[in-house]
Amino acid sequence: QVQLVESGGGVVQPGGSLRLSCAASGFTFSNFDIHWVRQAPGKGLEWVAIVSNGGTSGFYAESVKGRFTVSRDNSKNTVYLQMDSLRPEDTAVYYCTRVYYFDYWGQGTLVTVST
Amino acid sequence: DIQMTQSPSSLSASIGDRVTITCRASQGIGSFLAWFQQKPGKAPKSLIYGASSLQSGVPSKFSGSGSGTEFTLTISSLQPEDFATYYCQQYRTYPFTFGPGTKVDIK
Repeated sequence: QVQLVESGGGVVQPGGSLRLSCAASGFTFSNFDIHWVRQAPGKGLEWVAIVSNGGTSGFYAESVKGRFTVSRDNSKNTVYLQMDSLRPEDTAVYYCTRVYYFDYWGQGTLVTVST
Repeated sequence: DIQMTQSPSSLSASIGDRVTITCRASQGIGSFLAWFQQKPGKAPKSLIYGASSLQSGVPSKFSGSGSGTEFTLTISSLQPEDFATYYCQQYRTYPFTFGPGTKVDIK
């Protein structure tokens, strides 16, 4: 069955960095674009970024452009979200999901940006 | 960016009620519209894609309709497991955007 498992969340100070991972199984990983979506505590859903199936292209929300970088290693069935220059407003649960209409989601990983 | 709105923002309903949630896009998105259900502390779950296609494994009490700028999600007979927050999402254009959510709770 399709599984997406996020990891790498934690507490980081403003201005710091964190790298999230999304490990996939149960499908032909290299055929699918992967997205990151986040949800701040008590708030709605916000699309963050996409990496294409081959890893050659990505798009970002304006709120993270220039600070976040998405990449993937198809040999490891894993997508990464490198988050730099973190701000308190980046505090959220980060989910990875696939295809344009987000058919499967991981359980999420919590990122807290705080002093 | 395409703005998504939902109405109502919340509703109270009884078991067995028929519930309809409306989602509007600030510009035409064709049928590039998805619906999700989210329960507290859990990841969102896909219900509908392509405005009206039921995701595999989702019960037929859920249905979606609409195209262009106005869409609806209908739950034909509300059951206890359906009390949750529902979100719409457009995937016509980047950045993909979500509606603010509709919370469905027990009357």
